[in-house]
Amino acid sequence: DAGVTQSPTHLIKTRGQHVTLRCSPISGHKSVSWYQQVLGQGPQFIFQYYEKEERGRGNFPDRFSARQFPNYSSELNVNALLLGDSALYLCASSLRQGPYNEQFFGPGTRLTVL
Amino acid sequence: AQTVTQSQPEMSVQEAETVTLSCTYDTSESDYYLFWYKQPPSRQMILVIRQEAYKQQNATENRFSVNFQKAAKSFSLKISDSQLGDAAMYFCAYRSPFTGANSKLTFGKGITLSVRP
Repeated sequence: DAGVTQSPTHLIKTRGQHVTLRCSPISGHKSVSWYQQVLGQGPQFIFQYYEKEERGRGNFPDRFSARQFPNYSSELNVNALLLGDSALYLCASSLRQGPYNEQFFGPGTRLTVL
Repeated sequence: AQTVTQSQPEMSVQEAETVTLSCTYDTSESDYYLFWYKQPPSRQMILVIRQEAYKQQNATENRFSVNFQKAAKSFSLKISDSQLGDAAMYFCAYRSPFTGANSKLTFGKGITLSVRP
């Protein structure tokens, strides 16, 4: 069975641009979470979506937005990119929301903002 | 807010020996979940072991075991018979027993483990 997939693998953008990152969860998983991992740090929670609705949001500015589609795939959008947005963006999927549901992580998208 | 602290940035172990990675956390909740994740250079985060706070027995998964001290808010990972493939970054993580944003994983800064042949 395929695991969580993310695209693209790497991305280079310049300040002020917009970026869209994509995530396909494991088949049957209905919950997707997004994390930002700055180099040398642990991942930080950005969003959780379950059944196509936002169920949780971390401490990130409104430049960050996301959505989940009917097939449960998800997009993370970041507007007006800043240098500090350079990071590894991880997507994690689980069967349902809730702490007892194990989160399976994708390989991440490495975003570099110049 | 919950916090997770991993104070050792790097550790090294000889192949076949045992190593212990430390983690402390802060919370006012009485029930929660604790995890150790492994992130090899390939970047894919893999769950190593989990512990439910209401369980007194320490979790064990093959060569991996934890020492969960709830009163001390300590959650260390012991890796026995270390293998070269264990070299990776290890993250300790906390999760509340609630849904929504509160069910997010809160991670420590991680520790880089190297294994010497």
